[in-house]
Amino acid sequence: QSALTQPASVSGSPGQSITISCTGTNTDIGAFHLVSWFQQHPGTAPKIIIFEVSNRPSGVPSRFSASKSGTTASLTISGLQAEDEANYFCSSYTLSRTHVFGSGTMVTVL
Amino acid sequence: EVQLVESGGGSAQPGGSLRLSCAVSGFNVSNTYMHWVRQPPGKGLEWVSVLSSGGATEYADSVKGRFTTSRDNSKNMLYLRINGLRGEDTAVYYCAREWRNSLGDWGRGTMVTVSS
Repeated sequence: QSALTQPASVSGSPGQSITISCTGTNTDIGAFHLVSWFQQHPGTAPKIIIFEVSNRPSGVPSRFSASKSGTTASLTISGLQAEDEANYFCSSYTLSRTHVFGSGTMVTVL
Repeated sequence: EVQLVESGGGSAQPGGSLRLSCAVSGFNVSNTYMHWVRQPPGKGLEWVSVLSSGGATEYADSVKGRFTTSRDNSKNMLYLRINGLRGEDTAVYYCAREWRNSLGDWGRGTMVTVSS
């Protein structure tokens, strides 16, 4: 199972909006409505910020939103803040009953 | 409060074995899907395995045949047995609880270093 494809890095100024793409195949993202997004600050464990494509767990700011079209999922951070600087990973359930992560995107707040 | 605490990592030689543990509190491993995920130094996340509430397991192709995940319901513990250690197994290993078809709660991880 190959990793989902994400851009290596995305940057933006405070207050701006950025979007991270996550491209898979018809055996993972395209097959299920089960895409998640995780935020990971250096030296810490990943934290879930989106589940089931577009749902935010309690406590996750509303500036994080996500969607899916076909085999590509997207995470948008609106009103970028300094504390959003982190690595972001997408993941999906697959037809093989496994999970697969994206390659990861480093978000830099300029 | 949900807590997951991994242990058992350390340095090991190629070809050796390790057993990682994940101590769980705030819920029962017996009725939850539990996952292992690893992250090589400076790299991305790699899903490793899942143990279902019914006892079924699935593994990533990269570890199939060498890794075994199990649990002890009486101790509320999850385990990952790693045999035939390779350099590419060097990583932080996280255990995670499945929640809403995703990995909702994570431990802080335990580092495994494979080197001669």
